[in-house]
Amino acid sequence: GAGVSQSPSNKVTEKGKDVELRCDPISGHTALYWYRQRLGQGLEFLIYFQGNSAPDKSGLPSDRFSAERTGESVSTLTIQRTQQEDSAVYLCASSLARYGYTFGSGTRLTVV
Amino acid sequence: AQSVTQLDSQVPVFEEAPVELRCNYSSSVSVYLFWYVQYPNQGLQLLLKYLSGSTLVKGINGFEAEFNKSQTSFHLRKPSVHISDTAEYFCAVSGGMDSSYKLIFGSGTRLLVRP
Repeated sequence: GAGVSQSPSNKVTEKGKDVELRCDPISGHTALYWYRQRLGQGLEFLIYFQGNSAPDKSGLPSDRFSAERTGESVSTLTIQRTQQEDSAVYLCASSLARYGYTFGSGTRLTVV
Repeated sequence: AQSVTQLDSQVPVFEEAPVELRCNYSSSVSVYLFWYVQYPNQGLQLLLKYLSGSTLVKGINGFEAEFNKSQTSFHLRKPSVHISDTAEYFCAVSGGMDSSYKLIFGSGTRLLVRP
């Protein structure tokens, strides 16, 4: 597609449930990133995939968070046993080079 | 680890006045620098970027930024703001000691343009 697509755009879940967020990067982009943006705050790096290299997971806040990416295609971010503090907008971005980042519109997650 | 500091959480300014949004980064080696804008309830949009070359970078919507290596700064400026510039502005850096493509963001500055 022309841009980075994220789904769902909005997700409301009950505390303790697992959720999966999906990101479709721009075709051919080798790098894919997940960020979290809490209400009124900046973007917090979560995880980064680059080609077939081991992902950089240094930003994942706890072991309840995990992400996968198959090759250079779709990525899913999974949050297990969701907590209220997980409520945020989760943004995905992809890039081909170190400076050509394109962001998706995000998934707004609300944990009730 | 790399970091980006945006000292001003909010900058109020009157319409048609000039504005400067400050950004400092921590790195002793070459980096790439970016400014993004986020309008209310919208995604991130790239305003401008510094990769190399001229230290004065011009972006969209009349914004420009100047890279100052000695002061490790990349301040964003606009000579005359409009009401429509009201938004959140994020400074970001990649590269440096961390050779990955990872973008590190500042905490953001909310620009509030008043009539």
